[in-house]
Amino acid sequence: DGGITQSPKYLFRKEGQNVTLSCEQNLNHDAMYWYRQDPGQGLRLIYYSQIVNDFQKGDIAEGYSVSREKKESFPLTVTSAQKNPTAFYLCASSARQETNEKLFFGSGTQLSVL
Amino acid sequence: SQQGEEDPQALSIQEGENATMNCSYKTSINNLQWYRQNSGRGLVHLILIRSNEREKHSGRLRVTLDTSKKSSSLLITASRAADTASYFCAPTVPGANSKLTFGKGITLSVRP
Repeated sequence: DGGITQSPKYLFRKEGQNVTLSCEQNLNHDAMYWYRQDPGQGLRLIYYSQIVNDFQKGDIAEGYSVSREKKESFPLTVTSAQKNPTAFYLCASSARQETNEKLFFGSGTQLSVL
Repeated sequence: SQQGEEDPQALSIQEGENATMNCSYKTSINNLQWYRQNSGRGLVHLILIRSNEREKHSGRLRVTLDTSKKSSSLLITASRAADTASYFCAPTVPGANSKLTFGKGITLSVRP
């Protein structure tokens, strides 16, 4: 089946720890995105990538880092600098980063702080 | 990028009734997309309407766009309990590197 796979579904972070959220797609999409969703809130863009080995900061990039070494993969690291990391994280992709392209989303990762 | 503002924030209706959800935005757009999110899941694309279109249908969904009022509506006819979800609009602006942004959404509850 084609789609986007996020793992794990639930993740717990200890104080001062970095954690990495996985996002893999087999849709052959060029563009990938990471969003953060807080309860009752909209989605805020963290990082996005239009092509392999290139990525740009979104609206709330501080405390996060990404890499795009392969077209299929766009992992997100939540660093210890992110003081309020508890949220629902969504990865998405689109064929290209153009305004007529719809986004395909993964099922999300719920990150909580221990 | 531009964020849409959905209205109302919450909507509760009886199964079989129609649900109307509204979205407003501030600047000119290329198109506007509607997405749905079931609790604890990712968003799913429902429909895209281009700036030169006024109305579009997909199954029980009807979307309208009024660019003069900078607003869009999503109508779900003959609602079902399975339509219970959050709904988001995402207007997209002209220009390269435009990214979709999402507001707080509308929480729709359909009572059986």
